[in-house]
Amino acid sequence: AQKVTQAQTEISVVEKEDVTLDCVYETRDTTYYLFWYKQPPSGELVFLIRRNSFDEQNEISGRYSWNFQKSTSSFNFTITASQVVDSAVYFCALSETPGTSGSRLTFGEGTQLTVNP
Amino acid sequence: DTGVSQDPRHKITKRGQNVTFRCDPISEHNRLYWYRQTLGQGPEFLTYFQNEAQLEKSRLLSDRFSAERPKGSFSTLEIQRTEQGDSAMYLCASSLLTGELFFGEGSRLTVL
Repeated sequence: AQKVTQAQTEISVVEKEDVTLDCVYETRDTTYYLFWYKQPPSGELVFLIRRNSFDEQNEISGRYSWNFQKSTSSFNFTITASQVVDSAVYFCALSETPGTSGSRLTFGEGTQLTVNP
Repeated sequence: DTGVSQDPRHKITKRGQNVTFRCDPISEHNRLYWYRQTLGQGPEFLTYFQNEAQLEKSRLLSDRFSAERPKGSFSTLEIQRTEQGDSAMYLCASSLLTGELFFGEGSRLTVL
């Protein structure tokens, strides 16, 4: 069975600090996808990134960067120079290769990030 | 607005009543998903449609739950004889065949 663990329930930082959100996953599949979603107070899950299990290259998008390490089954997310608007719950998720289950996602329990001014 | 829309956004009902939620996906998306999210937890998969066919249902989806997508466009999720444990946010998402999921803002259900 697939499992995603986000050990950090809550993180609080001061604006402009860098912060890393941890994600560890378990799967028996050799091909899978990893995701990060942001859920602001409004409730809508906002897609941030999708990464294929064959692509271990780290990715940077503006202030966001992701570190995928297959050897440790981790897919960590770093926000550089955090801003108050980054305050939200962040979810890591895992899906097997789309097939009969579509793109069914298994989510972690989320990390509540609070960025204080 | 071309995103996923859900209606109603909030529903308060008494135990034992039936409720129905509607989801309108992004128009070109042929896959539609329902998830349930309780406070402090991540979303949990309920069911998934490809076009009008319901291809998978989670064990979380008891006999009191039924979902339809009659014409392969919008979908409804009905909960019969609601129980207090059904109180949650019900999230709808849509996607293309191999794309990421786009979520709506959810329908929050409170069962008194």
